Amino acid sequence: EVQLVETGGGLIQPGGSLRLSCVASGFTVSSDNMMWVRQAPGKGLEWVSIIYGGDSAYYVDSVKGRFTISRDRSKNTLYLQMNSLRAEDTAIYYCAKDATGSIDYWGQGTLVTVSS
Amino acid sequence: DVVMTQSPLSLPVTLGQPASISCSSSQSLVFSNGNTYLNWFQQRPGQSPRRLIYTVSNRDSGVPDRFSGSGSGTDFTLKISRVEAEDIGVYYCMQGTHWPYTFGQGTKLEIK
Repeated sequence: EVQLVETGGGLIQPGGSLRLSCVASGFTVSSDNMMWVRQAPGKGLEWVSIIYGGDSAYYVDSVKGRFTISRDRSKNTLYLQMNSLRAEDTAIYYCAKDATGSIDYWGQGTLVTVSS
Repeated sequence: DVVMTQSPLSLPVTLGQPASISCSSSQSLVFSNGNTYLNWFQQRPGQSPRRLIYTVSNRDSGVPDRFSGSGSGTDFTLKISRVEAEDIGVYYCMQGTHWPYTFGQGTKLEIK
């Protein structure tokens, strides 16, 4: 059974950094494209970043230069390093498994709150 | 980026009655391989999204057959033949044909 479990969210001041982790089970993170999707409070879904099989990565314009997606094959874990956080980054961050033009599995999400 | 537009944004429905949600895209969602990567997700209150439909009309395992998807090109529809209480939540369409993937604004299904 595929499972994705995110951790690492919390309350952080503007300008601060957080690293989100997503531990996968039931498949290998290095063999699939993986992504992060976020949802601001009471709002819709927004794709944030994706990492492909060859480790190439892409980001939504609003986080370019501030966020870095990566994965650790030995720990079967996906990461999102978030620097220079802003109030508008406040959201639930979901780890998700790409499935050729789709998303077939989502984690339960971890809440990031950027506030002073 | 491809803009996905859903309607209505709020959908009050009586239990046992049908419901229909429309989704339109700013560009054709037909991929070069002939597939159309249009998906529907359900997000129940307090839960993460769950995929219901992929490539327009294919239901995921465990999804009741009262859910169906249809459409082509730029116009798509999710239908629920008879709404049940467990269907309450927000429904999103998402295109996966063009990068980046983009979502509709969401349609909130509520019981009258």
